[in-house]
Amino acid sequence: GENVEQHPSTLSVQEGDSAVIKCTYSDSASNYFPWYKQELGKRPQLIIDIRSNVGEKKDQRIAVTLNKTAKHFSLHITETQPEDSAVYFCAASRGNNDMRFGAGTRLTVKP
Amino acid sequence: DVKVTQSSRYLVKRTGEKVFLECVQDMDHENMFWYRQDPGLGLRLIYFSYDVKMKEKGDIPEGYSVSREKKERFSLILESASTNQTSMYLCASSQTGSPIQYFGAGTRLSVL
Repeated sequence: GENVEQHPSTLSVQEGDSAVIKCTYSDSASNYFPWYKQELGKRPQLIIDIRSNVGEKKDQRIAVTLNKTAKHFSLHITETQPEDSAVYFCAASRGNNDMRFGAGTRLTVKP
Repeated sequence: DVKVTQSSRYLVKRTGEKVFLECVQDMDHENMFWYRQDPGLGLRLIYFSYDVKMKEKGDIPEGYSVSREKKERFSLILESASTNQTSMYLCASSQTGSPIQYFGAGTRLSVL
């Protein structure tokens, strides 16, 4: 089955700096890669996703890149703000009900 | 806007008790999921259901069962709660044909 590894487990950046979180997956048939943000005490919310036919996707300050050959994808947050502080989860799926999540990255943005 | 509602935010139960966690979604989604969230382990799938009365085991089904009598409701049952089931439990739903899952706010269960 699919195995998703996520790094780093914790990340601390200064406000205004960029943050990068990386994930690798094992199943070459995976074709959908979402990123979820979970603020303290709240539900995980989808912030951006990418499908395997695209190499990069951007939405304002966040972007995701996908390297299918190397089986890894990354979340990039630019100009970080304190409200970006949260736990971020990556996931990989074949597009069906079988989604596997990474262990999560706790991002802290220091003002 | 998709709404997935978990009936309790916090629960405290005793070892050996039977525990019911309830989840309701209002978007007529066919698929519903129960995950367990533990620090350093991420989200692990316990069970999912793709239709009423249908269920499939996930990665960690031992000690749990589920019930889906109505499309909008998916229940997770701990037949005899144990301390190692102390965790955050997240429910999610999705539409058939879409991989996007929508999550509830979670139930933090403590088993004493």
